[in-house]
Amino acid sequence: KQEVTQIPAALSVPEGENLVLNCSFTDSAIYNLQWFRQDPGKGLTSLLLIQSSQREQTSGRLNASLDKSSGRSTLYIAASQPGDSATYLCAVEGRLLSDQGAQKLVFGQGTRLTINP
Amino acid sequence: DTGVSQNPRHKITKRGQNVTFRCDPISEHNRLYWYRQTLGQGPEFLTYFQNEAQLEKSRLLSDRFSAERPKGSFSTLEIQRTEQGDSAMYLCASSSRGLAKNIQYFGAGTRLSVL
Repeated sequence: KQEVTQIPAALSVPEGENLVLNCSFTDSAIYNLQWFRQDPGKGLTSLLLIQSSQREQTSGRLNASLDKSSGRSTLYIAASQPGDSATYLCAVEGRLLSDQGAQKLVFGQGTRLTINP
Repeated sequence: DTGVSQNPRHKITKRGQNVTFRCDPISEHNRLYWYRQTLGQGPEFLTYFQNEAQLEKSRLLSDRFSAERPKGSFSTLEIQRTEQGDSAMYLCASSSRGLAKNIQYFGAGTRLSVL
């Protein structure tokens, strides 16, 4: 059974700092890995998707890396801003037995990030 | 295209009552997923539809839970005889076979509180 763990559970840093969020998973047979952002009481917004054949993806100030062999991914946020405050969720895609083309997402518990002005 | 829509946004009910949530996926998305998220945890997969067919259900989906997707459009999730342990955020997501990455787009969720 795939298990996803995120460390730390919570992080508070001053504005402007660069930071790294960590994600580990137990089964390296994944398809893709995604990082999501969730604001309080809201749904999920996809930030980055890394295909299993890729090592990293970048979007603006965000960079995500993937090391399948070690079962790890990191999300790097550069020059953090108060608007980055949210919970960040890592999710790995596992294939559904009933539909080989579809995937279910297995999530970590998230890292609650607070950027202090 | 307004994204995935879920209604109601919040539902407060008494233990033992039945509740029903609705999800309207992105139009022409043939894949639809339901997830449940409890406080402080990540979402957990509940069930998957391809068009109108419910193809997979998690062991988390007890017999008090039922989901439908008539005509392969909107979906409903019903919980019968609610229990306090059912209190959670219920999230719906949709995706299309046509998109190369099968990205799941999430709705804002329905937050259920069982008193």
